[in-house]
Amino acid sequence: QVQLQESGPGLVTPSETLSLTCTVSGGSISPNYWSWIRQAPGKGLEWIGYIYSSGSTRYNPSLKSRVTMSVDTSKNQFSLRLTSVTAADTAVYYCAKWYCYSDTCYYMDAWGKGTTVTVSS
Amino acid sequence: QTVVTQEPSFSVSPGGTVTLTCGLSSGSVSRGYYPSWYQQTPGQAPRTVMYNTNTRSSGVPDRFSGSILGDKAALTITGAQADDESDYYCCLYMGSGIRVFGGGTKLTVL
Repeated sequence: QVQLQESGPGLVTPSETLSLTCTVSGGSISPNYWSWIRQAPGKGLEWIGYIYSSGSTRYNPSLKSRVTMSVDTSKNQFSLRLTSVTAADTAVYYCAKWYCYSDTCYYMDAWGKGTTVTVSS
Repeated sequence: QTVVTQEPSFSVSPGGTVTLTCGLSSGSVSRGYYPSWYQQTPGQAPRTVMYNTNTRSSGVPDRFSGSILGDKAALTITGAQADDESDYYCCLYMGSGIRVFGGGTKLTVL
């Protein structure tokens, strides 16, 4: 059973860069698709993007100019960088694994517990 | 940008049936959007209840069913129980690898 664990600073200064890492255990990060999702306080889920274990990515168009995802297969980790953060980026950030077969990804079948990131000076 | 729409809230009596829907601000939802549904209780990560329109995730009771109703994806709970009280989010595939969540439906069982 694959398990995911988010890690990173809980407090980020406005205009700075948010950096989070998701560590995958109980299975290999390759080959598979992985996503970041966030949830602002009292709000719904927002898909940030995905990264394939080869490094290919797709991002939410509304965040694309500020988001970078990367993968480190040697550490079984993938990461999120979000630049120029504002208070609107305050949220619980989740990492998740996609269930895929026959070149189609259907749903996220494993989630981390989430990590709270607050943007404040 | 197309918005994925869901009812903000719904109420169902214990033992009753409720259908939550997932639509588009422009256009119709079809199986090609690979609709999936996620259940979330406060303070917890979401868990999948339905994917690929009508496939139940492992361990999900058969009182949950999925379908396409008209121009929307639908999640029906038949014989609702108290522990079904949660937030439910649909997620659609919009093409080119892009996924979009709906705003979520807060389901109350009382």
